Amino acid sequence: AQSVTQPDIHITVSEGASLELRCNYSYGATPYLFWYVQSPGQGLQLLLKYFSGDTLVQGIKGFEAEFKRSQSSFNLRKPSVHWSDAAEYFCAVGGTSYGKLTFGQGTILTVHP
Amino acid sequence: EPEVTQTPSHQVTQMGQEVILRCVPISNHLYFYWYRQILGQKVEFLVSFYNNEISEKSEIFDDQFSVERPDGSNFTLKIRSTKLEDSAMYFCASKGTSRVGELFFGEGSRLTVL
Repeated sequence: AQSVTQPDIHITVSEGASLELRCNYSYGATPYLFWYVQSPGQGLQLLLKYFSGDTLVQGIKGFEAEFKRSQSSFNLRKPSVHWSDAAEYFCAVGGTSYGKLTFGQGTILTVHP
Repeated sequence: EPEVTQTPSHQVTQMGQEVILRCVPISNHLYFYWYRQILGQKVEFLVSFYNNEISEKSEIFDDQFSVERPDGSNFTLKIRSTKLEDSAMYFCASKGTSRVGELFFGEGSRLTVL
């Protein structure tokens, strides 16, 4: 069975600081990995995805993530956080089974001015 | 930019009532999904739909739930007899023409069961 763990429920950073959100997955085959962001009252917006190839993937809004197969991780990073990045971030894993995604618990990001 | 739209944005209903949540997926997409998120919990898969039939469903998706694509554009989730524990945000999603790809989510329908 596939699963995703996001160890940090809530992270607080100062504006301009760097950010890393952790994600560990369990999946029996080659995983397809995603990071989505959800602002209050909004739907889920895709930040970036990993299907194959280069293990460092770039996304929207200056985010990047690195796939590390040996660690079963897909951590999200941003070098300098903006106040508008405050939201909840979800890591998800999927495969070829009609594209069903399994989500992690989510990490709430608070940004202090 | 094409988007997935959901209606209603918020519905309040009495326990035991039937509810239909509606979704208009992106027009050329072939794969459709319903997810739900109970307040404070993770986003959970309910059902996937492809080629006019359910392709996969979770254990949450019991006989009280059904999905339909009645007219080639809408994709609906029906809950026949709502329970208090059905209160959640329900997200519709669609995906293009490949089994592998990103899901595009709607903004959700919040269901409150009293």
